[in-house]
Amino acid sequence: KNEVEQSPQNLTAQEGEFITINCSYSVGISALHWLQQHPGGGIVSLFMLSSGKKKHGRLIATINIQEKHSSLHITASHPRDSAVYICAGVGGGADGLTFGKGTHLIIQP
Amino acid sequence: EAGVAQSPRYKIIEKRQSVAFWCNPISGHATLYWYQQILGQGPKLLIQFQNNGVVDDSQLPKDRFSAERLKGVDSTLKIQPAKLEDSAVYLCASSARHGTQFFGPGTRLTVL
Repeated sequence: KNEVEQSPQNLTAQEGEFITINCSYSVGISALHWLQQHPGGGIVSLFMLSSGKKKHGRLIATINIQEKHSSLHITASHPRDSAVYICAGVGGGADGLTFGKGTHLIIQP
Repeated sequence: EAGVAQSPRYKIIEKRQSVAFWCNPISGHATLYWYQQILGQGPKLLIQFQNNGVVDDSQLPKDRFSAERLKGVDSTLKIQPAKLEDSAVYLCASSARHGTQFFGPGTRLTVL
């Protein structure tokens, strides 16, 4: 059974701080998605990665296949980054995602 | 490019009633997913279609939930009869084969 564990569950930081959200996953997972969900809003896919590192603007995602661990970083955080960030794994043949419980991020001005 | 469309956005029903949700994926996306997200939890996959065939429905409560994608494009998810614990947001997503999943805005269901 695929499993995804995320930490921290809640994170409050000041504007400008460097943010890190961590995700560990089980053996059956072959790729990882990082998703963003705003209150009342839909889910937006930020990254999909199976190796290495990806960067988009102030967002950076890394994955360590050997350690089965991924991180999402936000540089120069801003209040508009406040959202729930979810890591989700895919594997085992089908492409349906197994979701972590999410990290509720609040960036205070 | 139009995104994934879902309707209705909100639905309130009483327990034991029936309800249906509709999803129109991004044009050309062969894979379509239905997820259930209960308040405070991460989404859970209910069913995955590849064109009009079911790839994974292992977590679909088949005694009351059904889904179809008859022509390999639009999909309908039905609950009959609804229970209180079915109150959730139902998310539809689509992807090109093994690609990034794009999510619709969701349908928020409240069962009273």
